[in-house]
Amino acid sequence: DQQVKQNSPSLSVQEGRISILNCDYTNSMFDYFLWYKKYPAEGPTFLISISSIKDKNEDGRFTVFLNKSAKHLSLHIVPSQPGDSAVYFCAAGGDYKLSFGAGTTVTVRA
Amino acid sequence: KAGVTQTPRYLIKTRGQQVTLSCSPISGHRSVSWYQQTPGQGLQFLFEYFSETQRNKGNFPGRFSGRQFSNSRSEMNVSTLELGDSALYLCASSVGGNSYNEQFFGPGTRLTVL
Repeated sequence: DQQVKQNSPSLSVQEGRISILNCDYTNSMFDYFLWYKKYPAEGPTFLISISSIKDKNEDGRFTVFLNKSAKHLSLHIVPSQPGDSAVYFCAAGGDYKLSFGAGTTVTVRA
Repeated sequence: KAGVTQTPRYLIKTRGQQVTLSCSPISGHRSVSWYQQTPGQGLQFLFEYFSETQRNKGNFPGRFSGRQFSNSRSEMNVSTLELGDSALYLCASSVGGNSYNEQFFGPGTRLTVL
């Protein structure tokens, strides 16, 4: 039962352009959402989060948008840099656990 | 501050054996969560411990178990290993209290079952 879905397994973007990653969830009880970034052979590292009472949170080049009515969130990376090439996981929190999506592999082209 | 450490980093076992993985959280963190990562499946939640108590458990068979010690270190055990248990097992720690806390992940233990 996949409660958090990332429907795009991969994304290729040119350096300097915007990367938009999408995530959908089914459980309306989730009240906290996070994005993690993962490089090969390393554990995921926290990027940015948003509470369900907000619809936008910004941190430098990273902005997360939350649309509760659509049960959808997105991560915008502007501008994309080569070091952003990694796997990005969307996660939703509730009941002392995080539910993760399957991840989106981002490749930033020079 | 030292990060989350997991031991061993790599493990090869055969079907039917059992395995114990260890996780040391960041100092001061009282919550430890375990996840299984397989290709295309993302991170699947196994269980979460806070102050030696399991607060939530994912949808895994009873062969998967865990515990947390008074110093917040945690272990997970998988008995009667199956080929499908081959995966990266990740441990994450957080300050605790609720699921809102940012979780810090260790590098994982790569388990291969032959």
